[in-house]
Amino acid sequence: AQTVTQSQPEMSVQEAETVTLSCTYDTSESNYYLFWYKQPPSRQMILVIRQEAYKQQNATENRFSVNFQKAAKSFSLKISDSQLGDTAMYFCACNNNDMRFGAGTRLTVKP
Amino acid sequence: EAQVTQNPRYLITVTGKKLTVTCSQNMNHEYMSWYRQDPGLGLRQIYYSMNVEVTDKGDVPEGYKVSRKEKRNFPLILESPSPNQTSLYFCASSLSQWGNEKLFFGSGTQLSVL
Repeated sequence: AQTVTQSQPEMSVQEAETVTLSCTYDTSESNYYLFWYKQPPSRQMILVIRQEAYKQQNATENRFSVNFQKAAKSFSLKISDSQLGDTAMYFCACNNNDMRFGAGTRLTVKP
Repeated sequence: EAQVTQNPRYLITVTGKKLTVTCSQNMNHEYMSWYRQDPGLGLRQIYYSMNVEVTDKGDVPEGYKVSRKEKRNFPLILESPSPNQTSLYFCASSLSQWGNEKLFFGSGTQLSVL
């Protein structure tokens, strides 16, 4: 089964600045899918962005974008123009018929 | 509204007292799954189900049971809860377990076993 590693337990950023959350994964499959989920204090799990491994182009959703490096098995999340509402736990996940999550990064956006 | 309904939201119980956490989805999803979330460990899969009457163990199935008698319902059963099962639990569903399908999550159940 695949494994997902998030090496930054906690991060902080000033409002309006840019922050990058790291994620690496390990899988023996050639076809898989990668996700970032956000969990605000409400505990709700919200899909932020997803990427198909066979696509070269990095996914983008408004202020959120990824840097997908397939050879390095890296899938980082960049948040531009950080807002107070971005304060949350962020989970990276990998799916190849079995979704696996990382340990999470707690992001705090400071005013 | 498309949703996964999970109850209860909070539960405090004592060691050994059987409990059930209910999960229901109204999206006709085939795939359903239970996760537990613990600090520093992220979400770990307990059990999953690819369809009615089909269930399989995830990474941490010990001490848990599930059933999938109807497509919409996927209850999590703790026959004899122990303190190490104190955790935040999530039910989730998706159209299928394959590929790019988004997981829809319930609102979570914070369980404390004393």
